[in-house]
Amino acid sequence: QQPVQSPQAVILREGEDAVINCSSSKALYSVHWYRQKHGEAPVFLMILLKGGEQKGHEKISASFNEKKQQSSLYLTASQLSYSGTYFCGTESADNYGQNFVFGPGTRLSVLP
Amino acid sequence: DAGVIQSPRHEVTEMGQEVTLRCKPISGHNSLFWYRQTMMRGLELLIYFNNNVPIDDSGMPEDRFSAKMPNASFSTLKIQPSEPRDSAVYFCASSLGGAGYEQYFGPGTRLTVT
Repeated sequence: QQPVQSPQAVILREGEDAVINCSSSKALYSVHWYRQKHGEAPVFLMILLKGGEQKGHEKISASFNEKKQQSSLYLTASQLSYSGTYFCGTESADNYGQNFVFGPGTRLSVLP
Repeated sequence: DAGVIQSPRHEVTEMGQEVTLRCKPISGHNSLFWYRQTMMRGLELLIYFNNNVPIDDSGMPEDRFSAKMPNASFSTLKIQPSEPRDSAVYFCASSLGGAGYEQYFGPGTRLTVT
């Protein structure tokens, strides 16, 4: 079952912060985050594993609350290059290695 | 490393024709994924191979779609017969250890069925 992402779209000014949320109705083993720029392929940002570990990538970090089956992606001091569509991908805990599914995406636009 | 290679990059075909999309994963990766992306349906996983064996093909839409991975360095996705609703961007991705690992995406094949 596809995870839910919110918001669907967000517009920021350069330097502002944003949070993108991902939630699932299933128990999760891992959450993945990818960014896709227009006309390009998705690019990996980070993986969060069961255990609530928070990971970071430049000024982009994320958290994973396995009890709530939720993950959040934090973008701080956004740059123009952050524009794109952000997808979370989830791996189910009860069917490890299978049932990997991407969310519908959150479109982020960073304006100068 | 060359990354994941897909061919062709663009394909335009008429309804009813057979279409074959090709993918070469990154050398050393043992998992390969085929995705379809449309505005309406987003990024859908069609099929996932691990060590050349299909692990999850629950996303394959119907019998018109078939995928093979005859060896570790090559995979095909075939649509026969093609229909206009198959128009989409098809991505191939590979990873070192399965769905739980970082996936490296190819540039995609844009398919248009008229």
